Amino acid sequence: EIVLTQSPTTMAASPGEKITITCSASSSISSNYLHWYQQKPGFSPKLLIYRTSNLASGVPARFSGSGSGTSYSLTIGTMEAEDVATYYCQQGSSIPTFGAGTKLELK
Amino acid sequence: EVKLEESGGGLVQPGGSMKLSCVASGFTFSNYWMNWVRQSPEKGLEWVAEIRLKSNNYATHYAESVKGRFTISRDDSKSSVYLQMNNLRAEDTGIYYCTRKLGPYYFDYWGQGTTLTVSS
Repeated sequence: EIVLTQSPTTMAASPGEKITITCSASSSISSNYLHWYQQKPGFSPKLLIYRTSNLASGVPARFSGSGSGTSYSLTIGTMEAEDVATYYCQQGSSIPTFGAGTKLELK
Repeated sequence: EVKLEESGGGLVQPGGSMKLSCVASGFTFSNYWMNWVRQSPEKGLEWVAEIRLKSNNYATHYAESVKGRFTISRDDSKSSVYLQMNNLRAEDTGIYYCTRKLGPYYFDYWGQGTTLTVSS
């Protein structure tokens, strides 16, 4: 099983601030198999970025993803209040696994 | 609009059984792999089970933690996927999400979830 380690676990950001969340895999995975989800309080997870860097439908352009091998990242170019959520990475290379999540709060 | 609507959760005693259902709409159900993913404070998001297409002989796959206790099935004529859960344990407690999966890749749509509590 591939373990995904996210950092930080929690963070607070001010509006307009640039945010980066990282996801480290225990084994190398193809960039085709690394995805990100956003879960707002009280809601189910929602696909945010697929295959490392592709924005899901309706996702604002301030979100971006990058990475390869064992190291991946999610970036929010300029933080907005509506981005308060928990973000999860997920790999589909083998048995699907998720990172533990990064809780993003407003400063 | 793609919709996934789960039902069937509730309170069950350890060792008991429960069947979850999910009705899909807004897409050609028979063309997609369907999965169940659960979420708990202790384990976070955890993939549970997958069922593939008729062309894959409805192949199924399970997380090790539920293998032999849970059974996923589907009825394409009803656009529905099910999760039969037997010999339930406290650690099965959580929110169960029905998800649509794009092949071997990602879960592109999630239902609102149904809550299962296993407790005496």
